[in-house]
Amino acid sequence: EAGVTQSPTHLIKTRGQQATLRCSPISGHTSVYWYQQALGLGLQFLLWYDEGEERNRGNFPPRFSGRQFPNYSSELNVNALELEDSALYLCASSLYSHNEQFFGPGTRLTVL
Amino acid sequence: QKEVEQDPGPLSVPEGAIVSLNCTYSNSAFQYFMWYRQYSRKGPELLMYTYSSGNKEDGRFTAQVDKSSKYISLFIRDSQPSDSATYLCAMSGITGGGADGLTFGKGTHLIIQP
Repeated sequence: EAGVTQSPTHLIKTRGQQATLRCSPISGHTSVYWYQQALGLGLQFLLWYDEGEERNRGNFPPRFSGRQFPNYSSELNVNALELEDSALYLCASSLYSHNEQFFGPGTRLTVL
Repeated sequence: QKEVEQDPGPLSVPEGAIVSLNCTYSNSAFQYFMWYRQYSRKGPELLMYTYSSGNKEDGRFTAQVDKSSKYISLFIRDSQPSDSATYLCAMSGITGGGADGLTFGKGTHLIIQP
């Protein structure tokens, strides 16, 4: 069974630009979560999507947004990039209302 | 006070030793407890998943949860060099990981010396 996949592996942007990160969940999983893992801060919860809707978000500004498509894949958009947005962005998926979250390999975003 | 405290290490032990990794937490609403292993520049891999207090064993790994002390542990028996990684504890409330996401410790860097 294929795991969670994410693309691209690496992304380099400059301040003020927009970044788009993509995630495909494990087949059959309807919930997708996004986390940010910045150096020294640990994993921080960003967003939760389920059945095409944003269900909850962590303590991040509105320039972090995304969507979930009918096939349950998801996209994370980060607008007006700032230097401190440089981090590993991790996507996880789970069965709806199930707690076991399985992570993808991440997208490393570097903002110059 | 942070919600989840975890010693960052590094923790260095010889091959074959028993490893003990720990987390403490402050939020009594946490009901589900997980341990993830993360190799350098990779995504976290789910190792153990437990609900409420008690022990759970899976191969060389044993997870313990003591809700009265707000303390969770992961034991690794017969440690191997391939166990060298960062170990993250994570937890969530009764509403599930989705409602507020998982809350993670910062991770303990473990080194198994051959």
